[in-house]
Amino acid sequence: DAKTTQPPSMDCAEGRAANLPCNHSTISGNEYVYWYRQIHSQGPQYIIHGLKNNETNEMASLIITEDRKSSTLILPHATLRDTAVYYCIVSTDKLIFGTGTRLQVFP
Amino acid sequence: NAGVTQTPKFQVLKTGQSMTLQCAQDMNHEYMSWYRQDPGMGLRLIHYSVGAGITDQGEVPNGYNVSRSTTEDFPLRLLSAAPSQTSVYFCASMRGDTQYFGPGTRLTVL
Repeated sequence: DAKTTQPPSMDCAEGRAANLPCNHSTISGNEYVYWYRQIHSQGPQYIIHGLKNNETNEMASLIITEDRKSSTLILPHATLRDTAVYYCIVSTDKLIFGTGTRLQVFP
Repeated sequence: NAGVTQTPKFQVLKTGQSMTLQCAQDMNHEYMSWYRQDPGMGLRLIHYSVGAGITDQGEVPNGYNVSRSTTEDFPLRLLSAAPSQTSVYFCASMRGDTQYFGPGTRLTVL
């Protein structure tokens, strides 16, 4: 079973920030939090990952709570091309995908 | 670099037939894996390999075999196809903490 809980779907207006939450209350000390997304029927695409500290790259920001039991992926300025299923995964090696959050960005 | 390539893109099999899904990567990654994705579902790990000559089972290995004779190639074999194996199959390779996925093979078993 996946060790994360995500809302099944979310909407976001184009140009606004999309904040995707993820609960991982049973995360262990050496497990990283990974985010991937899958656009339509393509292969999943890596977005970002982190252990304890907040992380930012050209695609997104990852905010991890101090107790590491939850995290939020932030897409600062969502575009229509960001419409996808977003997967939050906790792992030390193998990636076990859950069902993710289907983000719909609307004009 | 071509990245991760998969062939064929589409395949239709009859129950009981066997076939091999091909996966290759030109990034010299040690770690490779196979997933299946059923309609409306997330990906499930079938088998993975941490290097040439080493393979291990994932979440749903039954009905599938793998081998890893080279770093570049990681074929997935269906020994006797069943309708329950109708799915989209994704291969991936990993560098560091990042997995790179192929475009997928859409398999239908009648």
